[in-house]
Amino acid sequence: GAVVSQHPSRVICKSGTSVKIECRSLDFQATTMFWYRQFPKKSLMLMATSNEGSKATYEQGVEKDKFLINHASLTLSTLTVTSAHPEDSSFYICSAKWGSGRRSGNEQFFGPGTRLTVL
Amino acid sequence: KNEVEQSPQNLTAQEGEFITINCSYSVGISALHWLQQHPGGGIVSLFMLSSGKKKHGRLIATINIQEKHSSLHITASHPRDSAVYICAVPSSGSARQLTFGSGTQLTVLP
Repeated sequence: GAVVSQHPSRVICKSGTSVKIECRSLDFQATTMFWYRQFPKKSLMLMATSNEGSKATYEQGVEKDKFLINHASLTLSTLTVTSAHPEDSSFYICSAKWGSGRRSGNEQFFGPGTRLTVL
Repeated sequence: KNEVEQSPQNLTAQEGEFITINCSYSVGISALHWLQQHPGGGIVSLFMLSSGKKKHGRLIATINIQEKHSSLHITASHPRDSAVYICAVPSSGSARQLTFGSGTQLTVLP
């Protein structure tokens, strides 16, 4: 099956710093990537939809200046948590959807997630 | 928006038991996803199905489009099956975004 990686898997940072999380589709081109946030024992919450070459679409209540998303290529999307605060501590997960071509479809492939802890 | 309900929320079983997890949704869909999340957090896509039944190893997923209901079955359960199982369906009006169920925490005891 298709593989999506995330880096780093775990990061600890101080308040006020920025953290960048990478999401890569390793063996397919993903025109659309999704960023989710998950609180302990809660379900995934969609933060934004990222389309290659265009601005991300953010869900209501998600600050675009706080969570910067860049989908610079068909295999890479990044989420930058700017001026991180302890309340940003969470599990961040990306998923990628096949783009056009013979492998297009509605199936999403999920990354392993990144655990962010802000001290 | 599509509403998704999963049951049960928590399930404890003995090794070898047959497991069933249910998922109901409110708006007609093109396909439903079953996901598995292990304690470390990583999510694995188990199935995407739009009709009938799919089988992969000891896992079986069924869907009834008319009744807006899907089930995930695990035969001969094993402790390594212990995880959170999540169903997800497209949000109404968008085939791309998913709405997730709250998940079923499965614990299989040896």
